[in-house]
Amino acid sequence: QQPVQSPQAVILREGEDAVINCSSSKALYSVHWYRQKHGEAPVFLMILLKGGEQKGHDKISASFNEKKQQSSLYLTASQLSYSGTYFCGTEGNAGGTSYGKLTFGQGTILTVHP
Amino acid sequence: NAGVTQTPKFQVLKTGQSMTLQCAQDMNHNSMYWYRQDPGMGLRLIYYSASEGTTDKGEVPNGYNVSRLNKREFSLRLESAAPSQTSVYFCASERGGGYGYTFGSGTRLTVV
Repeated sequence: QQPVQSPQAVILREGEDAVINCSSSKALYSVHWYRQKHGEAPVFLMILLKGGEQKGHDKISASFNEKKQQSSLYLTASQLSYSGTYFCGTEGNAGGTSYGKLTFGQGTILTVHP
Repeated sequence: NAGVTQTPKFQVLKTGQSMTLQCAQDMNHNSMYWYRQDPGMGLRLIYYSASEGTTDKGEVPNGYNVSRLNKREFSLRLESAAPSQTSVYFCASERGGGYGYTFGSGTRLTVV
């Protein structure tokens, strides 16, 4: 079942912060985050494994709450280059091991204006 | 390194025609995937291959077949194209170990 992302769209000015959420109805082994620019392929940002870890990538970080089956992506001090569509991809948990394939959310469109 | 290469980049088919989308990766990855992307629906898995010699259905396999020719190549075939198969198709490969998927540049397919 497809994870649900919220919000569907965000409009920011440079320097503002944003949070994108990803929620699943199934037990998760991991959560991936990708960014896709218009007309291009998705690009991998980071992966979070079960255990509630938090990761950072420049001014983009993410958290994963395994018990709530939710992940959040945090974009701080946004830049024009952050514009694009953000997708979470979830990997199911089958008794402690992964299913090995991702189910993607519907995407969140982020627009950053000068 | 080229990464993941998809051909063709664009294709227009008539209803009922067949075609094969090609995908090759040069990163020695075991797992490969085919997704389709439609507006507002994200990426949906068509078929995947966890390793050379194995293939499995994903979420939307109807109307498609795949072949994992060797470790590098994973092709997607449309036997009898339908307008509902108009989409952007992405091939991806995965190294595993937390490195995420590497996607090809996509094939934009229109069925008229």
